[in-house]
Amino acid sequence: QVQLVQSGSELKKPGASVKIACKASGYSFTKYLINWVRQAPGQGLEWMGWINTNTEDPTYALGFTGRFVLSLDTSVSTAYLQISGLKADDTAVYYCARERPVGRTNQFDLWGQGTLVTVSS
Amino acid sequence: SYVLTQPPSVSVAPGQTARLTCGGDKIGLTSVHWYQQKAGQAPVLVVFDGGDRPSGIPERVSGSNSGNTATLTITRVEAGDEADYYCQVWDTATDHWVFGGGTRLTVL
Repeated sequence: QVQLVQSGSELKKPGASVKIACKASGYSFTKYLINWVRQAPGQGLEWMGWINTNTEDPTYALGFTGRFVLSLDTSVSTAYLQISGLKADDTAVYYCARERPVGRTNQFDLWGQGTLVTVSS
Repeated sequence: SYVLTQPPSVSVAPGQTARLTCGGDKIGLTSVHWYQQKAGQAPVLVVFDGGDRPSGIPERVSGSNSGNTATLTITRVEAGDEADYYCQVWDTATDHWVFGGGTRLTVL
């Protein structure tokens, strides 16, 4: 079954770090990019960046540099999002999404179920 | 950076037609993708490249794109269409993805 399965919810204190996993199955992991999207409570979707699963090269959106690190472990078909120095406004659901050419261009055709990160003292 | 503007909410009665817009500078010249997000769920791609549908998406859902506005049209709206809808484009100036702010479709 083609799917992305993310790790479970996290409750962290301000200043701590968190590492979210996104495990792919049912397709060739290194064939397509993995993107990450943030959704704060009651807010819209915000693109954070992507990682090239072939070269392991990450690209970050503005506002997601410095404390955010995208990485891979291709041996287990898993992408990771690590956030350090957590702040209260990092509280959000984080999604991974596969980017694949469905038509003439690329789209996010497969999404993980989301991981809720709550930052609270 | 490129900005996509969506109305926060649209309401429509069952059986009627919902038109959700996504505004952007010369958006008609680019490919627009639409995602549906039901409450508590991950987004799902419903229209890509302006007007094509992935398999499993009903023909009631369609898209168009011209000038400065892209439109997602849902005919014969059902209660199950109630969701947030997001448009997305690739910004060639920054080589970044951009999402619109989303529109909540309410079925009356």
